[in-house]
Amino acid sequence: RKEVEQDPGPFNVPEGATVAFNCTYSNSASQSFFWYRQDCRKEPKLLMSVYSSGNEDGRFTAQLNRASQYISLLIRDSKLSDSATYLCVVNSGASGGSYIPTFGRGTSLIVHP
Amino acid sequence: SAVISQKPSRDICQRGTSLTIQCQVDSQVTMMFWYRQQPGQSLTLIATANQGSEATYESGFVIDKFPISRPNLTFSTLTVSNMSPEDSSIYLCSVQIGQEYGYTFGSGTRLTVV
Repeated sequence: RKEVEQDPGPFNVPEGATVAFNCTYSNSASQSFFWYRQDCRKEPKLLMSVYSSGNEDGRFTAQLNRASQYISLLIRDSKLSDSATYLCVVNSGASGGSYIPTFGRGTSLIVHP
Repeated sequence: SAVISQKPSRDICQRGTSLTIQCQVDSQVTMMFWYRQQPGQSLTLIATANQGSEATYESGFVIDKFPISRPNLTFSTLTVSNMSPEDSSIYLCSVQIGQEYGYTFGSGTRLTVV
């Protein structure tokens, strides 16, 4: 079983739609969680951190469910510019107290007119 | 967040040669990460580089193939040695400034081995 799993998609949605992505992780000791966005031929960029209480940033809402070991990303009122790959990132502790990130393979979103 | 300058942005290399990729960070960081991303795939961690100690390599990656230098807290290099076409990929460096701030990436090096 992979440490971090995402549905690769693609999710193909019309403008204005609401779309949700889930990401499951296997290490119950994971400490912190993030959603990244990666555009074609570009490096990943941080979209938002995911807090235990859930957090919202404009049209984007992230939630964490520690009991079921998954995080989610909800995008409301999708825009054409939201088309990208969304990567789930999970930080787990390693020897020496440092954190090592594990990336999901990403979920592709295509927003069409 | 940090700003990372990664060079070169792309290169086309002959098999059997080596390429050194550089990452310069605008602030001091303890750990730097090196990743490989093949087309359509997610990021695979190659190694973690701490200043003043040998890099820690992930399973499937060895120092002879991917030697790493970390001479100070703002700079690191990754060398892809004795390249073959299978090494064609995007290579990225990354740092984290505080656990809650996520990771910042260099702009990547797109390597093609012919």
